[in-house]
Amino acid sequence: EVQLVETGGGLVQPGRSLKLSCVASGFTFNNYWMSWTRQAPGKGLEWVASITNSGGSTYYPDSVKGRFTISRDNAQNTLYLQMNSLRSEDTATYYCTRSLAYWGQGTLVTVSS
Amino acid sequence: DVVMTQTPPSLSVAIGQSVSISCKSSQSLVYSDGKTYLHWLLQSPGRSPKRLIYQVSNLGSGVPDRFSGTGSQKDFTLKISRVEAEDLGVYYCAQTTHFPFTFGSGTKLEIK
Repeated sequence: EVQLVETGGGLVQPGRSLKLSCVASGFTFNNYWMSWTRQAPGKGLEWVASITNSGGSTYYPDSVKGRFTISRDNAQNTLYLQMNSLRSEDTATYYCTRSLAYWGQGTLVTVSS
Repeated sequence: DVVMTQTPPSLSVAIGQSVSISCKSSQSLVYSDGKTYLHWLLQSPGRSPKRLIYQVSNLGSGVPDRFSGTGSQKDFTLKISRVEAEDLGVYYCAQTTHFPFTFGSGTKLEIK
């Protein structure tokens, strides 16, 4: 059974950093691209970042480019999202996904002073 | 960026009825490999999204065949035949053909 478990969310002040983790199980992690998608409270879905199966290429929308970094440790079956210079508009539940087919339970990031 | 326009924004249907949701993209979603990366997701209340349909018309694992997807290029439709109570929630279309990946704004399905 495919499982994706996100951790690392919490309350953080504007301008600070936070790192999310997603531990994957139930499939061969290094065979798949992985992504982060977020959902602001009461709002729709927004793609945040993707990474190729080897980790050699990464992709971001303009809204987070230069501030967020997606990475992975294939030996540990773990996906990461390093978020720097956080803004109030980054407040959302962050989901780890495999090709939109599988989603974690999400981890809530709240950016507020 | 590819804009995904979903209609209607909300629906109220009785159990057993059929409904359709439209999703139109601002540009063609056909990728260079000839495939069309248009997907449909359902987010039930308080839950993470679940993929229903991938690449326009392929049913996701464990998804009942009451759900079907059709369309091509820039115009897509999700049909739910014989709506059941468990179908309530917000439906999203999503495209992963072009970066940045984008989602529709959602269609909220309520049960009468």
